[in-house]
Amino acid sequence: DAGVTQSPTHLIKTRGQQVTLRCSPISGHKSVSWYQQVLGQGPQFIFQYYEKEERGRGNFPDRFSARQFPNYSSELNVNALLLGDSALYLCASSREGSAHNEQFFGPGTRLTVL
Amino acid sequence: AQSVAQPEDQVNVAEGNPLTVKCTYSVSGNPYLFWYVQYPNRGLQFLLKYITGDNLVKGSYGFEAEFNKSQTSFHLKKPSALVSDSALYFCAVRDLTGANNLFFGTGTRLTVIP
Repeated sequence: DAGVTQSPTHLIKTRGQQVTLRCSPISGHKSVSWYQQVLGQGPQFIFQYYEKEERGRGNFPDRFSARQFPNYSSELNVNALLLGDSALYLCASSREGSAHNEQFFGPGTRLTVL
Repeated sequence: AQSVAQPEDQVNVAEGNPLTVKCTYSVSGNPYLFWYVQYPNRGLQFLLKYITGDNLVKGSYGFEAEFNKSQTSFHLKKPSALVSDSALYFCAVRDLTGANNLFFGTGTRLTVIP
């Protein structure tokens, strides 16, 4: 089975631009979460979606938004990019939103903001 | 609030020796604890989890972790280190008050010396 896939792999943007990152979960997984990993730190939670509804949101500004589609894939949008948004963005899927389920992570999208 | 701490940024161990990567947690209620490993330019790979039951949890690639409630610790261990175990290791705790997202530690870089 294919794992979690993310696109693009790398992205370079300039300050003020907007970016869309994409994620396809493992087949059969209905929950998708997004994390931001700044260099030298652990991943920080941004959003979780389950069955197309937002289940939770981390401490990120409104410039960050996301959605989940009927096929359970997801997009993360970031508007008005800042230099500090440069990071590895990780998508994780799980079978459902239960606390017992481990999350499986994709390879990430490396975003560089110049 | 849920949190984990990884007190060591770097751990060096000789190949064939036992390894320990430390993690302590702070939660209200019962902890759901996880270990992930990250190789260069890769996403996070799930190693093992503690939800309930036996305090010694066995996981992937020969790793195990010991849950110690009195010391609020969840240290990762392996009896005999391999050079290929060199990577970045993250301890995480599940947020049971909201979206069931993970709170990650800052990571410990393990280097196994041949």
